Amino acid sequence: NAGVTQTPKFRILKIGQSMTLQCAQDMNHNYMYWYRQDPGMGLKLIYYSVGAGITDKGEVPNGYNVSRSTTEDFPLRLELAAPSQTSVYFCASSYDNEQFFGPGTRLTVL
Amino acid sequence: AQKITQTQPGMFVQEKEAVTLDCTYDTSDPSYGLFWYKQPSSGEMIFLIYQGSYDQQNATEGRYSLNFQKARKSANLVISASQLGDSAMYFCAMREGGNTGGFKTIFGAGTRLFVKA
Repeated sequence: NAGVTQTPKFRILKIGQSMTLQCAQDMNHNYMYWYRQDPGMGLKLIYYSVGAGITDKGEVPNGYNVSRSTTEDFPLRLELAAPSQTSVYFCASSYDNEQFFGPGTRLTVL
Repeated sequence: AQKITQTQPGMFVQEKEAVTLDCTYDTSDPSYGLFWYKQPSSGEMIFLIYQGSYDQQNATEGRYSLNFQKARKSANLVISASQLGDSAMYFCAMREGGNTGGFKTIFGAGTRLFVKA
């Protein structure tokens, strides 16, 4: 099992550019999550999904979109990148109480 | 509304001693779960321990135990026999809405633990 994988590991974007952060899990988990972690801070939930075709907003959804067409994949879309979106992004999945995290994507918006 | 508070930005502990990391929470939902995660300097998030709101006993996982005081709304993490490898950031988290693995989870700001040799 690869667990939760995220691509890319690092990315630099210019203001106004768009990109998709990829997340995939091979554990057949129904629940998937996207978090962001700003320097020295805890994680904040952006979006989550309880199954294919079902997504919902977390604490900080503005500026992001998600889709969940399959159980395995949960991409996060940034449409118009802003410097405030500079952060480390973590994807996670769960079946029961433990959330399994991916290694993170470090995004810088300049 | 959900809220998680970790009041200790940093903690020092001598190797082989025990340390308690504080966490208080607020929720109006009678069904919730509490978690602790470890984040080493390498950046990955490592699950440590879970406590359900209806669990009668405090959770334990090896050297980790969760001191759950429901009336005080606290869920402190106790690490026994600290090791140098325990130096990391520790996050307390809470999930409302039952014990089914999903739903919103919020995290505290974290406590950085330094273990001294």
